[in-house]
Amino acid sequence: DTGVSQDPRHKITKRGQNVTFRCDPISEHNRLYWYRQTLGQGPEFLTYFQNEAQLEKSRLLSDRFSAERPKGSFSTLEIQRTEQGDSAMYLCASSYGPWETQYFGPGTRLLVL
Amino acid sequence: SQELEQSPQSLIVQEGKNLTINCTSSKTLYGLYWYKQKYGEGLIFLMMLQKGGEEKSHEKITAKLDEKKQQSSLHITASQPSHAGIYLCGADQKRSGYALNFGKGTSLLVTP
Repeated sequence: DTGVSQDPRHKITKRGQNVTFRCDPISEHNRLYWYRQTLGQGPEFLTYFQNEAQLEKSRLLSDRFSAERPKGSFSTLEIQRTEQGDSAMYLCASSYGPWETQYFGPGTRLLVL
Repeated sequence: SQELEQSPQSLIVQEGKNLTINCTSSKTLYGLYWYKQKYGEGLIFLMMLQKGGEEKSHEKITAKLDEKKQQSSLHITASQPSHAGIYLCGADQKRSGYALNFGKGTSLLVTP
């Protein structure tokens, strides 16, 4: 029974570079979520997918951020022209459906220098 | 503004002692989730509470939901070093079916 996996676990980049993170949800889950967590704070919702459709985006998700979930399987989150304020833990979660428990992956910790 | 307030912010207890963490919502709760997070890692699901008065237990951890007070509590009995970590409460306060709001977390350290 595999849980949610994320890759890479850690990423260090220079300001202005683009980065891409990958999330593999639990296989039978059709909902996939992205959250961002900064130090000392709880996770904040960014966006979610039902199958391959991106249904909601938080206003936290600026136009430098883009997420995809081709074929309703894994998802990628790309940040273009990274800024130091993007430094955070990016968490992915998945669930069977609405109001079902969201199971989280180990996260990708991003540091922008 | 923080819509889910957790207290205390941090806690240091001696091994074997009991402790309680509280989560108070400024809005009606449509389900309350408790997660545990080890430092620098992802969230581990503990329990979900949906109905007022509901109480669930797993091993030495018990969670309760007081719908009228819009509050939930997490109680750990006979704490162990393995209980150390950050405890987060999350809730779907807008009844969206997808976006969870989280508190800032309660950091727990259990000393020998």
